Amino acid sequence: DVKVTQSSRYLVKRTGEKVFLECVQDMDHENMFWYRQDPGLGLRLIYFSYDVKMKEKGDIPEGYSVSREKKERFSLILESASTNQTSMYLCASTPADRGRAGYTFGSGTRLTVV
Amino acid sequence: DQQVKQNSPSLSVQEGRISILNCDYTNSMFDYFLWYKKYPAEGPTFLISISSIKDKNEDGRFTVFLNKSAKHLSLHIVPSQPGDSAVYFCAAPRGMEYGNKLVFGAGTILRVKS
Repeated sequence: DVKVTQSSRYLVKRTGEKVFLECVQDMDHENMFWYRQDPGLGLRLIYFSYDVKMKEKGDIPEGYSVSREKKERFSLILESASTNQTSMYLCASTPADRGRAGYTFGSGTRLTVV
Repeated sequence: DQQVKQNSPSLSVQEGRISILNCDYTNSMFDYFLWYKKYPAEGPTFLISISSIKDKNEDGRFTVFLNKSAKHLSLHIVPSQPGDSAVYFCAAPRGMEYGNKLVFGAGTILRVKS
């Protein structure tokens, strides 16, 4: 089974803190994604990476950055956390040649910024 | 710009009856659609997909219907079971030029009452 593992299930951080969300996949997938899920808005793409050290902005990249130093690991960074970044964060991966067939998601990190 | 729309935030159905979840899209270039299911505190999991060359795809209790002229698809669950209670997301890949990144609808919460 493909596994996408997100390091934290729940996080509580203070406004202004720098926050790191980690994601690791074990199937040698090229593509990795960060989405956030909010009620009434569905899943919105924050950032996307199709290779080590490569990244692309998604639909809502403001206030976020990413890092992909190794193929299996894709980190989402909140440079200065704000309350409007309270959300469920979902990491996903897919092989380069099967993007249309769907993604494998991690279990999510529920982040609360106070 | 919400290219995939799920206009019903929630749906409540009696066990054993049919559940019908609807999805509309605006981009006529979409040619492949997916449904994901998400339980609380878990990541979305792939449920069923359909290519635009078909108008129906069936997998056990789940059937997806596609009406290209109306830009509408629906997911039918027959018979509905309490374990089907979850959030259902409709999604479509944006196209090769966008790396086939998925765009999601807002989701529909399905509650199956026993």
